Amino acid sequence: EPEVTQTPSHQVTQMGQEVILRCVPISNHLYFYWYRQILGQKVEFLVSFYNNEISEKSEIFDDQFSVERPDGSNFTLKIRSTKLEDSAMYFCASSETGLSTDTQYFGPGTRLTVL
Amino acid sequence: DAKTTQPNSMESNEEEPVHLPCNHSTISGTDYIHWYRQLPSQGPEYVIHGLTSNVNNRMASLAIAEDRKSSTLILHRATLRDAAVYYCILSPSGAGSYQLTFGKGTKLSVIP
Repeated sequence: EPEVTQTPSHQVTQMGQEVILRCVPISNHLYFYWYRQILGQKVEFLVSFYNNEISEKSEIFDDQFSVERPDGSNFTLKIRSTKLEDSAMYFCASSETGLSTDTQYFGPGTRLTVL
Repeated sequence: DAKTTQPNSMESNEEEPVHLPCNHSTISGTDYIHWYRQLPSQGPEYVIHGLTSNVNNRMASLAIAEDRKSSTLILHRATLRDAAVYYCILSPSGAGSYQLTFGKGTKLSVIP
């Protein structure tokens, strides 16, 4: 069964450094998402992406964050200058359509630790 | 956005049915009811969704109240693998990307 993959599984970085989290969505999906989950807290929406553009973003997704689909398969989340509070699990998801009846398929996540 | 209310936690014995409730008294007529779950140390996983009628799939059943102000996710025979946090989420119908708004969900423990 097709699945969303994410790399790396765990990323450790120093505060102020840039990180890029990578995702490979399911191949025929057109909508892509990033969510994060701080330890012990709720899963929070960050951004959605369609047709090489951001469709929606949350208040969390400020100028420090950016997303890109650099080629036909990868979908990346970049954090320019990491802060301690960016430590969280980051989940990528994809869906075939943008319909609210459609299923979002989540990857296993990348654990980001900012020291 | 319409909100959902779920119990913080529930317990079930293995191989017994589990009924996970969700209240959504402010649901609008076009909101879909989705259930996702998150197993320990994993990403969320789709379980089931519905609008008005009860729904069944290989994972679970979804019973929706006639007034749609509540719904119940039914796991027919809980297994240890079903121990997870279960989220009831509403989404408005329509096209265009939509965000899933997760609450705290219900943490289901399955006792062997």
